[in-house]
Amino acid sequence: QSALTQPASVSGSPGQSITISCTGTSSDVGGYNYVSWYQQHPGKAPKLMIYEVSNRPSGVSNRFSGSKSGNTASLTISGLQAEDEADYYCSSYTSSSTPHVVFGGGTKLTVL
Amino acid sequence: EVQLLESGGGLVQPGGSLRLSCAASGFTFSSYAMSWVRQAPGKGLEWVSAISGSGGSTYYADSVKGRFTISRDNSKNTLYLQMNSLRAEDTAVYYCAKAYSSSFFHGMDVWGQGTTVTVSS
Repeated sequence: QSALTQPASVSGSPGQSITISCTGTSSDVGGYNYVSWYQQHPGKAPKLMIYEVSNRPSGVSNRFSGSKSGNTASLTISGLQAEDEADYYCSSYTSSSTPHVVFGGGTKLTVL
Repeated sequence: EVQLLESGGGLVQPGGSLRLSCAASGFTFSSYAMSWVRQAPGKGLEWVSAISGSGGSTYYADSVKGRFTISRDNSKNTLYLQMNSLRAEDTAVYYCAKAYSSSFFHGMDVWGQGTTVTVSS
């Protein structure tokens, strides 16, 4: 059960836009529209930001958007704000071996 | 208010057992799949196990299959994780999480605060 691949870190200045990629295979990201994104601040529980590739839960800012192309999903944050600085994780359903969920290794977002 | 509250973590010796509980409130517990997700110190998130709303279907990560058992008591609005044959690499904060829908893989929209499990002699 291999983890999805995310960049270890990304950074951007306030007001800018950044994109975090999440690369898997045709057995997970590429095969299903069940990609989710989570934000985690230090010492806190994760928070769902995007589900089913591009849907935002109620209460999540529209500055957060998700997309997918082939085996790679992406999270874009526009109009960066200081409070966006956090770790971000993607996850996907996968049918390889038995049905389960696989996470990416996480990306540390630094707001400069 | 939708809330999840984990308990049962602690220090246990290698080879030992522990049972985690997660008390749910503020939503119709039996209508949603639930998962356990863990995070080793300084590491990323790892999905551990999931269970359907009825409890009739269960799913496990390869790393815990045969050692951990997920279950739920819908009459008590409580999720459990029985952990046996614990290893040092099971040391982590364990979160319970509510699925966004009846399927465990649609995203997890409510998380508990986590309970810490430390496996050490």
